[in-house]
Amino acid sequence: QQQVKQSPQSLIVQKGGIPIINCAYENTAFDYFPWYQQFPGKGPALLIAIRPDVSEKKEGRFTISFNKSAKQFSLHIMDSQPGDSATYFCAASIRGGSNYKLTFGKGTLLTVNP
Amino acid sequence: DGGITQSPKYLFRKEGQNVTLSCEQNLNHDAMYWYRQDPGQGLRLIYYSQIVNDFQKGDIAEGYSVSREKKESFPLTVTSAQKNPTAFYLCASSWTSGEQFFGPGTRLTVL
Repeated sequence: QQQVKQSPQSLIVQKGGIPIINCAYENTAFDYFPWYQQFPGKGPALLIAIRPDVSEKKEGRFTISFNKSAKQFSLHIMDSQPGDSATYFCAASIRGGSNYKLTFGKGTLLTVNP
Repeated sequence: DGGITQSPKYLFRKEGQNVTLSCEQNLNHDAMYWYRQDPGQGLRLIYYSQIVNDFQKGDIAEGYSVSREKKESFPLTVTSAQKNPTAFYLCASSWTSGEQFFGPGTRLTVL
């Protein structure tokens, strides 16, 4: 059973566009939602994260929007650049528990054309 | 230079062989994790360890084994029982309930 569903699987935008990646979760106990960025052949790197007590968080050109009632969250990349071309993963976990297991979405391959 | 190192970067295994992937961290993190990444499948948790000499199975532990004899090290053995081991393997570490930091990965190919 996939607990975090991510869409779209792939996305192509032009430079300056605003790609949006969506994730939906099922487990209402999740209370931490990070996004990771991965370049080919490299390990994922934490990009931005949000807790469910806020509806939006911005870090530079990256914004997470969170809708607790719909159990959905999304990543927006403002003024996208070719260097943003990578695979993006959303994830979710329960931080208050005795362990810290991340459940990942299947990823979105983003291509930003010049 | 702090971080997580994985070795080797590329590894080739013959049918029926066991191979061990190395993961070392000098971040003084308590917890360490192993993930498997396949195209279109995201990251799936194999094993994790929150403390030395203790570890738990993740979602796809069959055919894998680990040890945690030192805080800095969490090696993963891919045994011959793992029927489809070709994948990209990622090690991560974190403080307990902290952000997970990933290593550069090991690409394992079965010949």
